[in-house]
Amino acid sequence: GAVVSQHPSWVICKSGTSVKIECRSLDFQATTMFWYRQFPKQSLMLMATSNEGSKATYEQGVEKDKFLINHASLTLSTLTVTSAHPEDSSFYICSASTSGRMNEQFFGPGTRLTVL
Amino acid sequence: AQRVTQPEKLLSVFKGAPVELKCNYSYSGSPELFWYVQYSRQRLQLLLRHISRESIKGFTADLNKGETSFHLKKPFAQEEDSAMYYCALSGGATNKLIFGTGTLLAVQP
Repeated sequence: GAVVSQHPSWVICKSGTSVKIECRSLDFQATTMFWYRQFPKQSLMLMATSNEGSKATYEQGVEKDKFLINHASLTLSTLTVTSAHPEDSSFYICSASTSGRMNEQFFGPGTRLTVL
Repeated sequence: AQRVTQPEKLLSVFKGAPVELKCNYSYSGSPELFWYVQYSRQRLQLLLRHISRESIKGFTADLNKGETSFHLKKPFAQEEDSAMYYCALSGGATNKLIFGTGTLLAVQP
């Protein structure tokens, strides 16, 4: 149980285009979802926290107009990278937690974004 | 400031040797500490958390508030333990995790 999926697993896009990444909790209701960014050989950096039905809370230094997060249902959150540039190329990972599993986050497999 | 420090980027040991992956933290309140593991080509998964005080796959970790440490230990390393290990901290109402930079454990045969 507690499986989180991400789609797509990898995406290549042209500079200036927007890319949407989906994060789904498959067998539980995710009251909170988190979006992380991971650079090669580096740790996970939290970008934002989103609760279902409310606006995401972004970490300091993360542009909310650049990285649009929507958490419209208890099983789906989306991250849209708007007007992507090569420096946005990274590995994006989501995680989800539920009120019934105190503080535990379940991670998705990640999405590799490459912006040409 | 909230911070998690893992001083070793790489730890290489032989099979059967003891392992200790170091983790120190900085947090003003009472945090919850975790160890996450990422095996090759797999997603991040929870290994253990300090409030559970359980041993998973032979690994244990004790929270030392005096030294603000949460070192991960295993008495006899196995080759299948080779992976990336992240120490993480959670505190406050948001449940967000702050990760250390990770330690790559390589267990040689």
